[in-house]
Amino acid sequence: EVQLVESGGGLVQRGGSLRLSCAASGFTFSSYAMRWVRQAPGKGLEWVSGISGSGATTNYADSVKGRFTISRDNSRTTLYLQMNSLRDDDTAVYYCAKKMDSGNYPIDYWGQGTLVTVSS
Amino acid sequence: DIQLTQSPSFLSASAGDRVTITCRASQDISSYLAWYQQKPGKAPNLLIYAASTLQSGVPSRFSGSGSGTEFTLTISSLQPEDFATYYCQQLNSFPRTFGQGTKVEIK
Repeated sequence: EVQLVESGGGLVQRGGSLRLSCAASGFTFSSYAMRWVRQAPGKGLEWVSGISGSGATTNYADSVKGRFTISRDNSRTTLYLQMNSLRDDDTAVYYCAKKMDSGNYPIDYWGQGTLVTVSS
Repeated sequence: DIQLTQSPSFLSASAGDRVTITCRASQDISSYLAWYQQKPGKAPNLLIYAASTLQSGVPSRFSGSGSGTEFTLTISSLQPEDFATYYCQQLNSFPRTFGQGTKVEIK
């Protein structure tokens, strides 16, 4: 059974940093690209970042480029999101997600999400 | 970035109704489109990918169609458990943008 368990969320001051983790199990982690998707309170889904199975290729939404860094440790089957220079509009539930397959495929599994609150 | 516009943003319907949601892309995305369902407090759930391929385990009352810039999600006979918010997502290019969502509520 695929399981994705996020951790690391919490309250952080504006301009601060936070690192999210996502522990993955139930599949061959290194074979699948992974994603971070967020959802601000009462708002829609926003794709944040993606990383290839090997970790060699990363992509970011314009809203986080230069501030967030996605990475993975395949030996620990863990995905990370380093968030720096946090702003009020980064407040959201952050979901870790697994991509279905290589190519133009969607997300097929999601974690339960971890809440990040940025406050002044 | 590719923009996705869903219509309507809000839909009120009764159980048993046929419901159609449209997703329009700002440029040609071929058939690289997925649909998700999200219920309050829960993570999204994949319904359809490649515009019209039903994800395993998803009821056959859900169907998808379209290509290029216009896509539709149809629920043939709305069930009580289908009241939720639906999102489209393009998988043609990065960033993998989502539509703004369509909330389906009980009439």
